[in-house]
Amino acid sequence: KAGVTQTPRYLIKTRGQQVTLSCSPISGHRSVSWYQQTPGQGLQFLFEYFSETQRNKGNFPGRFSGRQFSNSRSEMNVSTLELGDSALYLCASSWGSGGRTDTQYFGPGTRLTVL
Amino acid sequence: GQQLNQSPQSMFIQEGEDVSMNCTSSSIFNTWLWYKQDPGEGPVLLIALYKAGELTSNGRLTAQFGITRKDSFLNISASIPSDVGIYFCAGHVYGGSQGNLIFGKGTKLSVKP
Repeated sequence: KAGVTQTPRYLIKTRGQQVTLSCSPISGHRSVSWYQQTPGQGLQFLFEYFSETQRNKGNFPGRFSGRQFSNSRSEMNVSTLELGDSALYLCASSWGSGGRTDTQYFGPGTRLTVL
Repeated sequence: GQQLNQSPQSMFIQEGEDVSMNCTSSSIFNTWLWYKQDPGEGPVLLIALYKAGELTSNGRLTAQFGITRKDSFLNISASIPSDVGIYFCAGHVYGGSQGNLIFGKGTKLSVKP
């Protein structure tokens, strides 16, 4: 069974640009969560999508947005990039049942560098 | 926001030694998860714990869900060079969303052959 895939693996952008990252969950998983990982803040939750709806949102500015398609694939978008947005962006998928055993499995991440 | 206190921050040990790390929180957690992350990769799930007091093993790894539901530990026995990496504890806060995992800051493990 294929794992979570993320594309692209690496991105370099300049300040003010926007970027779109893609995540394909494990087959059958309907929930996709996004996390930002930086050396200073660690892993921080961005948002979760389930059945094409945002189910939960972390404490990030509105420049960070996402969506989910009917096949459960998800994209996240960051507009007006800032230097501080440089990070490893991770997505994780799960069945989405909401039960305590609904474990998240992570993709390899997209390394975003903002110059 | 919610925080998990993970310690130690880093460990440098000799191959063959046992390793212990733990996470504590002021909040009650429904689940505790332990992940390992290699450089440039995403976290890989090692052990999942779902009930207070639960003790679970995965090969040389053993983890426990604290009886107070506010802590968890991970032990690695007889460490080998491929154990090198960053270990994260994570969990779901009681009453919180299952889609939102709270992470510790990680324990960086270095193993000297």
